[in-house]
Amino acid sequence: QLQLQESGPGQVEPSETLSLTCSVSGGSISSCTYYWGWIRQPPGKGLEWIAIIYCDGSTYYNPSLTSRGTISVDTSKKVLSLNLRSVTAADTAVYYCARRGAYSDSWVDPWGQGTLVTVSS
Amino acid sequence: QSVLTQPPSASGTPGQRVTISCSGSSSNIGSNAVNWYQRLPETAPKVLIYRNNQRPSGVPDRFSGSKSGTSASLAISGLQSEDEADYYCAVCDDSLNGLVVFGGGTKLTVL
Repeated sequence: QLQLQESGPGQVEPSETLSLTCSVSGGSISSCTYYWGWIRQPPGKGLEWIAIIYCDGSTYYNPSLTSRGTISVDTSKKVLSLNLRSVTAADTAVYYCARRGAYSDSWVDPWGQGTLVTVSS
Repeated sequence: QSVLTQPPSASGTPGQRVTISCSGSSSNIGSNAVNWYQRLPETAPKVLIYRNNQRPSGVPDRFSGSKSGTSASLAISGLQSEDEADYYCAVCDDSLNGLVVFGGGTKLTVL
Protein backbone atom coordinates (compact mmCIF):
# COMPACT_ATOMS: atom_id res chain seq x y z
CA GLN A 1 0.00 0.00 0.00
CA LEU A 2 1.45 3.33 -1.08
CA GLN A 3 2.10 5.72 1.80
CA LEU A 4 3.26 9.31 1.84
CA GLN A 5 4.85 11.08 4.80
CA GLU A 6 5.60 14.80 4.80
CA SER A 7 8.34 16.49 6.78
CA GLY A 8 8.67 20.18 7.39
CA PRO A 9 10.14 22.79 9.75
CA GLY A 10 6.92 23.64 11.56
CA GLN A 11 7.74 27.34 11.62
CA VAL A 12 9.51 29.59 9.13
CA GLU A 13 10.36 33.27 9.39
CA PRO A 14 8.93 35.73 6.86
CA SER A 15 11.06 36.19 3.71
CA GLU A 16 12.86 32.88 4.31
CA THR A 17 12.62 29.71 2.21
CA LEU A 18 10.28 26.91 3.20
CA SER A 19 11.57 23.42 2.44
CA LEU A 20 9.29 20.40 2.57
CA THR A 21 9.93 16.76 1.79
CA CYS A 22 7.65 13.80 1.27
CA SER A 23 8.87 10.22 1.62
CA VAL A 24 7.14 7.66 -0.54
CA SER A 25 6.93 4.04 0.56
CA GLY A 26 5.14 0.96 -0.64
CA GLY A 27 5.22 1.75 -4.33
CA SER A 28 6.92 3.41 -7.27
CA ILE A 29 7.41 7.13 -7.74
CA SER A 30 8.44 6.75 -11.37
CA SER A 31 5.28 5.59 -13.13
CA CYS A 32 3.99 7.89 -15.86
CA THR A 33 0.46 6.81 -15.05
CA TYR A 34 0.55 9.33 -12.20
CA TYR A 35 1.79 12.76 -11.31
CA TRP A 36 2.86 14.05 -7.92
CA GLY A 37 2.40 17.31 -6.17
CA TRP A 38 1.69 19.49 -3.19
CA ILE A 39 -1.68 20.67 -1.96
CA ARG A 40 -2.10 23.18 0.84
CA GLN A 41 -4.88 24.45 3.06
CA PRO A 42 -4.50 27.77 4.87
CA PRO A 43 -6.39 28.08 8.16
CA GLY A 44 -10.09 28.55 7.55
CA LYS A 45 -9.72 28.26 3.77
CA GLY A 46 -10.10 25.62 1.12
CA LEU A 47 -7.64 23.25 -0.50
CA GLU A 48 -5.32 24.54 -3.20
CA TRP A 49 -3.10 22.49 -5.49
CA ILE A 50 0.13 24.51 -5.72
CA ALA A 51 2.75 22.43 -7.56
CA ILE A 52 2.86 19.40 -9.86
CA ILE A 53 5.66 17.28 -11.27
CA TYR A 54 5.25 14.75 -14.04
CA CYS A 55 7.26 11.60 -14.76
CA ASP A 56 9.30 13.39 -17.42
CA GLY A 57 10.34 16.03 -14.91
CA SER A 58 8.12 18.76 -16.27
CA THR A 59 6.45 20.93 -13.68
CA TYR A 60 3.45 23.19 -13.27
CA TYR A 61 2.80 25.73 -10.57
CA ASN A 62 -0.36 27.42 -9.45
CA PRO A 63 -0.08 31.08 -10.50
CA SER A 64 -0.89 31.99 -6.90
CA LEU A 65 2.69 31.03 -5.98
CA THR A 66 3.97 33.97 -8.06
CA SER A 67 7.02 32.02 -9.30
CA ARG A 68 8.36 31.33 -5.80
CA GLY A 69 8.08 27.54 -5.86
CA THR A 70 10.33 24.69 -6.98
CA ILE A 71 9.14 21.10 -6.95
CA SER A 72 11.47 18.16 -7.51
CA VAL A 73 11.68 14.40 -7.20
CA ASP A 74 14.59 12.19 -6.22
CA THR A 75 13.51 8.89 -7.74
CA SER A 76 16.41 6.94 -6.23
CA LYS A 77 15.43 8.00 -2.70
CA LYS A 78 11.71 8.17 -3.49
CA VAL A 79 11.43 11.66 -2.07
CA LEU A 80 9.28 14.52 -3.33
CA SER A 81 10.40 18.02 -2.37
CA LEU A 82 9.04 21.54 -2.43
CA ASN A 83 10.94 24.77 -1.86
CA LEU A 84 8.94 27.95 -1.44
CA ARG A 85 10.95 31.18 -1.40
CA SER A 86 10.18 34.52 0.22
CA VAL A 87 7.36 33.21 2.36
CA THR A 88 4.79 35.45 3.98
CA ALA A 89 2.02 34.90 6.49
CA ALA A 90 -0.22 33.97 3.57
CA ASP A 91 1.85 30.79 3.13
CA THR A 92 0.82 29.54 6.57
CA ALA A 93 -1.03 26.32 5.86
CA VAL A 94 -1.20 22.56 6.21
CA TYR A 95 0.80 21.15 3.31
CA TYR A 96 -0.08 17.75 1.86
CA CYS A 97 1.89 15.74 -0.65
CA ALA A 98 -0.22 13.66 -2.97
CA ARG A 99 -0.34 11.47 -6.03
CA ARG A 100 -2.92 11.75 -8.79
CA GLY A 101 -3.63 9.81 -11.93
CA ALA A 102 -2.37 11.55 -15.04
CA TYR A 103 -5.73 11.79 -16.79
CA SER A 104 -8.43 14.43 -16.50
CA ASP A 105 -10.87 11.95 -14.96
CA SER A 106 -8.36 10.69 -12.38
CA TRP A 107 -8.35 11.39 -8.67
CA VAL A 108 -5.95 12.06 -5.82
CA ASP A 109 -4.89 8.93 -3.99
CA PRO A 110 -3.20 8.73 -1.62
CA TRP A 111 -2.65 11.88 0.39
CA GLY A 112 -0.04 12.35 3.05
CA GLN A 113 -1.10 13.16 6.59
CA GLY A 114 -0.12 16.79 6.10
CA THR A 115 2.36 19.02 7.87
CA LEU A 116 1.50 22.37 9.41
CA VAL A 117 3.75 25.26 8.48
CA THR A 118 3.45 28.57 10.27
CA VAL A 119 5.16 31.65 8.87
CA SER A 120 6.00 33.88 11.78
CA SER A 121 8.90 35.68 13.36
CA GLN B 1 -12.00 32.17 -2.48
CA SER B 2 -12.38 28.67 -3.93
CA VAL B 3 -13.15 28.06 -7.60
CA LEU B 4 -15.89 25.61 -6.67
CA THR B 5 -18.66 26.65 -4.30
CA GLN B 6 -19.82 24.43 -1.47
CA PRO B 7 -21.95 25.25 1.56
CA PRO B 8 -19.63 25.67 4.55
CA SER B 9 -21.73 23.44 6.76
CA ALA B 10 -24.40 20.77 6.73
CA SER B 11 -26.03 18.71 9.41
CA GLY B 12 -28.41 15.85 9.99
CA THR B 13 -29.54 13.33 12.53
CA PRO B 14 -28.64 9.65 12.42
CA GLY B 15 -30.54 7.83 9.70
CA GLN B 16 -31.31 10.97 7.71
CA ARG B 17 -30.25 11.72 4.15
CA VAL B 18 -27.98 14.70 3.59
CA THR B 19 -26.93 16.30 0.33
CA ILE B 20 -23.88 18.51 -0.24
CA SER B 21 -23.76 20.64 -3.38
CA CYS B 22 -20.79 21.78 -5.44
CA SER B 23 -21.19 24.54 -8.00
CA GLY B 24 -18.68 25.33 -10.72
CA SER B 25 -18.53 26.50 -14.32
CA SER B 26 -18.33 25.26 -17.89
CA SER B 27 -14.53 25.06 -17.72
CA ASN B 28 -14.48 22.70 -14.76
CA ILE B 29 -17.55 20.73 -13.70
CA GLY B 30 -19.18 21.33 -17.06
CA SER B 31 -16.28 19.64 -18.85
CA ASN B 32 -14.67 17.15 -16.47
CA ALA B 33 -15.36 14.42 -13.96
CA VAL B 34 -15.95 15.39 -10.33
CA ASN B 35 -14.35 13.69 -7.36
CA TRP B 36 -15.31 13.92 -3.69
CA TYR B 37 -12.97 13.60 -0.74
CA GLN B 38 -13.68 12.94 2.90
CA ARG B 39 -11.43 14.14 5.68
CA LEU B 40 -12.18 12.62 9.04
CA PRO B 41 -10.82 14.39 12.12
CA GLU B 42 -7.06 14.05 12.45
CA THR B 43 -6.73 11.95 9.29
CA ALA B 44 -5.58 12.48 5.73
CA PRO B 45 -8.25 13.12 3.10
CA LYS B 46 -9.35 10.09 1.14
CA VAL B 47 -11.28 9.72 -2.11
CA LEU B 48 -14.94 9.01 -1.50
CA ILE B 49 -16.39 9.32 -5.01
CA TYR B 50 -14.48 9.40 -8.30
CA ARG B 51 -15.60 10.03 -11.87
CA ASN B 52 -18.83 11.71 -10.69
CA ASN B 53 -20.50 8.66 -9.20
CA GLN B 54 -18.06 5.81 -8.69
CA ARG B 55 -17.20 4.46 -5.24
CA PRO B 56 -13.79 3.00 -4.42
CA SER B 57 -13.86 -0.41 -2.82
CA GLY B 58 -14.59 -0.12 0.86
CA VAL B 59 -16.79 2.98 0.59
CA PRO B 60 -20.34 2.15 1.73
CA ASP B 61 -23.12 2.47 -0.83
CA ARG B 62 -24.73 5.03 1.49
CA PHE B 63 -22.49 7.50 -0.32
CA SER B 64 -23.45 8.51 -3.85
CA GLY B 65 -22.44 11.22 -6.30
CA SER B 66 -24.14 12.89 -9.23
CA LYS B 67 -23.46 15.64 -11.72
CA SER B 68 -25.66 17.82 -13.87
CA GLY B 69 -24.37 20.65 -16.01
CA THR B 70 -22.03 22.78 -13.93
CA SER B 71 -23.08 21.38 -10.56
CA ALA B 72 -22.43 18.21 -8.64
CA SER B 73 -23.82 16.68 -5.48
CA LEU B 74 -22.79 14.23 -2.82
CA ALA B 75 -25.57 12.40 -1.04
CA ILE B 76 -25.23 10.48 2.19
CA SER B 77 -28.14 8.31 3.19
CA GLY B 78 -28.64 6.54 6.50
CA LEU B 79 -26.40 9.12 8.19
CA GLN B 80 -24.11 7.72 10.87
CA SER B 81 -22.06 9.42 13.57
CA GLU B 82 -18.84 8.33 11.91
CA ASP B 83 -19.78 10.34 8.81
CA GLU B 84 -19.00 13.54 10.70
CA ALA B 85 -16.15 14.97 8.62
CA ASP B 86 -15.15 17.59 6.09
CA TYR B 87 -16.15 16.93 2.48
CA TYR B 88 -14.52 18.46 -0.59
CA CYS B 89 -15.41 18.36 -4.25
CA ALA B 90 -12.63 18.59 -6.85
CA VAL B 91 -12.33 18.70 -10.61
CA CYS B 92 -9.86 19.69 -13.35
CA ASP B 93 -10.26 23.21 -14.71
CA ASP B 94 -9.56 23.63 -18.42
CA SER B 95 -9.02 27.36 -17.98
CA LEU B 96 -6.12 26.64 -15.61
CA ASN B 97 -4.25 24.17 -17.83
CA GLY B 98 -6.09 21.26 -16.26
CA LEU B 99 -5.09 22.12 -12.69
CA VAL B 100 -7.28 20.43 -10.13
CA VAL B 101 -9.43 22.90 -8.22
CA PHE B 102 -11.28 22.23 -5.00
CA GLY B 103 -14.40 23.40 -3.28
CA GLY B 104 -14.06 25.25 0.00
CA GLY B 105 -15.25 22.21 1.90
CA THR B 106 -18.39 21.36 3.82
CA LYS B 107 -18.25 20.43 7.47
CA LEU B 108 -20.87 17.79 8.15
CA THR B 109 -22.18 17.55 11.69
CA VAL B 110 -24.22 14.58 12.86
CA LEU B 111 -26.56 15.87 15.53
